[in-house]
Amino acid sequence: NAGVTQTPKFQVLKTGQSMTLQCAQDMNHNSMYWYRQDPGMGLRLIYYSASEGTTDKGEVPNGYNVSRLNKREFSLRLESAAPSQTSVYFCASSKLQDPDTQYFGPGTRLTVL
Amino acid sequence: GEDVEQSLFLSVREGDSSVINCTYTDSSSTYLYWYKQEPGAGLQLLTYIFSNMDMKQDQRLTVLLNKKDKHLSLRIADTQTGDSAIYFCAESIMDSSYKLIFGSGTRLLVRP
Repeated sequence: NAGVTQTPKFQVLKTGQSMTLQCAQDMNHNSMYWYRQDPGMGLRLIYYSASEGTTDKGEVPNGYNVSRLNKREFSLRLESAAPSQTSVYFCASSKLQDPDTQYFGPGTRLTVL
Repeated sequence: GEDVEQSLFLSVREGDSSVINCTYTDSSSTYLYWYKQEPGAGLQLLTYIFSNMDMKQDQRLTVLLNKKDKHLSLRIADTQTGDSAIYFCAESIMDSSYKLIFGSGTRLLVRP
């Protein structure tokens, strides 16, 4: 089991460029999540997908879109990147929403110039 | 609103016990979690406790929950240099949607 994998590991964008962060899990989990982590702050939820075919906004969804492509994959898209989106992005998955626990990927470090 | 607070930094000597504290505000929390993040890595689940429990022990880790004071702690016995990391407390909340609210993390430094 690879667990939760994310690509790319690092990315540098110019303001206004677009990109998609990929996430996949091989644990047959129903729920998947995207978080961002900024210095000195905890993780903040961007979007989540409780099950295949559904997506919902989290705490900080502005500037992002998501796609739950299938049960395994959940992608995060930045349509027009801004410097405020410089952050480390983590994908996570869980079998259920609660009381199950979330398992995290290694993160994507994104810098927007 | 929901808020989870932790102290930013803790330094202990190798072999001593570490206690990392966390306070939360939402009384409807069902589960509370401790995650560990090593430099450049993702978050690793350490342990979790159901909100109607007072204590949970797992090898060197002891979680204490005071629901009345909304206070959660993680005790690491015989702290090792490999325990140096950032520790995140998180609470799960289900209202109109499911949320996992994280604290800002406590950086634990273990001195030889």
